[in-house]
Amino acid sequence: AAGVIQSPRHLIKEKRETATLKCYPIPRHDTVYWYQQGPGQDPQFLISFYEKMQSDKGSIPDRFSAQQFSDYHSELNMSSLELGDSALYFCASSANSGQGVYEQYFGPGTRLTVT
Amino acid sequence: DAKTTQPPSMDCAEGRAANLPCNHSTISGNEYVYWYRQIHSQGPQYIIHGLKNNETNEMASLIITEDRKSSTLILPHATLRDTAVYYCIVSRSGNTGKLIFGQGTTLQVKP
Repeated sequence: AAGVIQSPRHLIKEKRETATLKCYPIPRHDTVYWYQQGPGQDPQFLISFYEKMQSDKGSIPDRFSAQQFSDYHSELNMSSLELGDSALYFCASSANSGQGVYEQYFGPGTRLTVT
Repeated sequence: DAKTTQPPSMDCAEGRAANLPCNHSTISGNEYVYWYRQIHSQGPQYIIHGLKNNETNEMASLIITEDRKSSTLILPHATLRDTAVYYCIVSRSGNTGKLIFGQGTTLQVKP
């Protein structure tokens, strides 16, 4: 079965640089979520999109932005990178059942290292 | 969304049932109980969810108490590959679906 695809899998950037992470959801899934997991921490919700519109926002820094495109893939753009942005970034997708019940399927993550 | 409380760690012998408890005493009527797990540095994996009734799928069973204030995830025959952090998450139906991960239980399955 098709899974969530994230690219790149690993990314090394320097402070103050920008990074773009990409997520390709499972076919026919209309909702995409982004999570950040710092070293030794639990995943933290950043932002979500439903049908290409932002649906929810968590503790996402103003330096980060994201969007969902017409083909439902999503990109997380990160600017003015800081050392503290080093983390695993997970994308997840789900199909809106219309009943408010969601099973999220996670990608393998992108490991971002800021030096 | 209601807060959940889980033990930080548990051990289980390979081949035995693993019973992972979760307290969610402030759960409200339209909130579902979800279980996810994360094997080291991999993306979290959906296991099961329920509202009131007990649920079973190919991975696990979910037992929810009648008052819905607690639940137990049961892995019937734990294997070494079930070693992971297990998260119990309560989420209101009709919300955007975001998951708020708490501390979780680190399950160590031992040979």
